[in-house]
Parts: sequence; C-alpha cells; structure tokens
Amino acid sequence: KAGVTQTPRYLIKTRGQQVTLSCSPISGHRSVSWYQQTPGQGLQFLFEYFSETQRNKGNFPGRFSGRQFSNSRSEMNVSTLELGDSALYLCASSLEPYSGNTIYFGEGSWLTVV
Amino acid sequence: AQTVTQSQPEMSVQEAETVTLSCTYDTSESDYYLFWYKQPPSRQMILVIRQEAYKQQNATENRFSVNFQKAAKSFSLKISDSQLGDAAMYFCAYGEETSGSRLTFGEGTQLTVNP
Repeated sequence: KAGVTQTPRYLIKTRGQQVTLSCSPISGHRSVSWYQQTPGQGLQFLFEYFSETQRNKGNFPGRFSGRQFSNSRSEMNVSTLELGDSALYLCASSLEPYSGNTIYFGEGSWLTVV
Repeated sequence: AQTVTQSQPEMSVQEAETVTLSCTYDTSESDYYLFWYKQPPSRQMILVIRQEAYKQQNATENRFSVNFQKAAKSFSLKISDSQLGDAAMYFCAYGEETSGSRLTFGEGTQLTVNP
C-alpha cells in the first residue's frame, strides 16, 4: 500500500511569489495534517483537514492556507513568500482526526525561498 | 499550551549498547498520547513507539521500550542492542484526544551510533 505522497519534493521560489504543495494520503485515510520544519523553530503544526473541513489550525499567518478535496488529497498554499518560509513541509495522514490513530508522514517538500 | 522538551540535543552510543533518550512534557490533560518518531536523513518521520496515557504498562516494540512516568510527566525511550541503522534524529511528540491528529513535537535528539 502506497504511503503518504508529497509533490513536489524540491522547489525554489522567489520572495513575493506563491507556492502550492500537494499531499496524497494513504488510501483510506481521511485526515491530513501539515507541519513546517525549520532548524530554528523545529516542527510546527500548520493545520489539519478532515472531510474537506479545516479542523485545527496552528499559529501561522493568513498567508498559509490549505484545502482538502473529496478524495482526501490536500494542498497547502503559501502566498507572498518570505525568506523565512524556507523549510521542509511535512504532510501526515491518519484514518481519522484522532491522536489515538497512527499518524503516517510523507517525505516532505523542501521549499527554498530566495 | 502543551510543551514537549528534549534536553539532549545530541547523544551517541556504541553499536550493540543501550542508550536512553529523555523527554518531558507539560499538560493539564489526563487523556493523551505520547510518541517517539525517528527521522533519518531521508527526512521521513517514522513512528517508533507510542504510549497511551491511560495505560500504566510501558510500551515496547522489539528493541525499543519506553519508561512512562505520568506523575513526573516523563517519557524516555530506551534503545537496546543499538544498530547502525538506528542513527537518526529522534523526536518525542504529544497528542491529545481533543486536538484531532495535531501533535506537539520536542526539539529532537540527534543519535549517533558508533561502530
């Protein structure tokens, strides 16, 4: 069974541009969450989606947004990119939005903002 | 807000030896879950072990076991018979019943395994 798939794996963007990252969860998983990982701030929760609805949101500015489609695939978007947005963005999926479920992570999308 | 602290930025162990990674957390909740994730150079987070707070028995998974001290809010990971493939960044994580699948992570401990 395929794991969590994230695309693209690597990308370079210019300050001020916007970027969209995609995540396909494990088949049958309906909950998708996103994390940002940086050397300075560590792993920080961005948001969580279930049944096409945002259920949880971390402490990030409105430039960070996401959505989930009816097939549970999710996208996150960052607008007006800043240098500090350079990070590894990790997507995770689970059967349902419940900490008791095992949460599986993808390999991440490396974003570099120049 | 819940916090997770890993006080050891780096640890090293000799192959075949045992190492313990420390983690403390702060919460006012009684129902929660604790996890250890491993992040190798590929950067994919891999679940090593999980513990439900309502279970008094410490979780074990092959060479990996935890020492869960609920009153002390401590959750350490013991790796026995360390192998070269265990070298990675290890993250302690906390999740709550009421917070969906949102996890709070510690800063991580970089484990080196020496041959």
